Amino acid sequence: DTAVSQTPKYLVTQMGNDKSIKCEQNLGHDTMYWYKQDSKKFLKIMFSYNNKELIINETVPNRFSPKSPDKAHLNLHINSLELGDSAVYFCASSLTSGGTDTQYFGPGTRLTVL
Amino acid sequence: GQNIDQPTEMTATEGAIVQINCTYQTSGFNGLFWYQQHAGEAPTFLSYNVLDGLEEKGRFSSFLSRSKGYSYLLLKELQMKDSASYLCAAVDSNYQLIWGAGTKLIIKP
Repeated sequence: DTAVSQTPKYLVTQMGNDKSIKCEQNLGHDTMYWYKQDSKKFLKIMFSYNNKELIINETVPNRFSPKSPDKAHLNLHINSLELGDSAVYFCASSLTSGGTDTQYFGPGTRLTVL
Repeated sequence: GQNIDQPTEMTATEGAIVQINCTYQTSGFNGLFWYQQHAGEAPTFLSYNVLDGLEEKGRFSSFLSRSKGYSYLLLKELQMKDSASYLCAAVDSNYQLIWGAGTKLIIKP
């Protein structure tokens, strides 16, 4: 019954490694998002996809590459991980990309880079 | 630039009432959201206001004044489980969400 799911929940890795986070939503929504929440708890939008097409691409290092194989999935691949990438990454979805639709968040992936 | 301001932290007593304020400066405005986030969990939707006035939903109410660029979240009959961060987010003219840094609410017995 999980609406928005993410795997893994925790990810501990060494600097320089490459890792992926997966996200799936079963709400039938058209739009999905990736957010980064740092230690100060500020939620920062990274990417947004609408029906598999990239619509928001904020100023994020190109080491971060999203991929949406279908509208129910939005994965995040991170190359050459750095210490500053340590944060909680949230996936979210909304019915449309209209901005006034409620966003439903996944449980988050806590990434720790050592 | 676009900006959302809300207090970093507030403390209140169980059973009391607390008001969490949010002021926003955005290019255009298409509504304002409040989300609740418990420690270690995901944000969850509380309210959305686009018209001026107060909207009540059980113990929680949200108010909006478009002319003042101001909103507040009112929590009544506070319970310990209300200890959480409360995030304010405004929708700008491009229909993108501008998020505040959140207000951490601590409830004391």
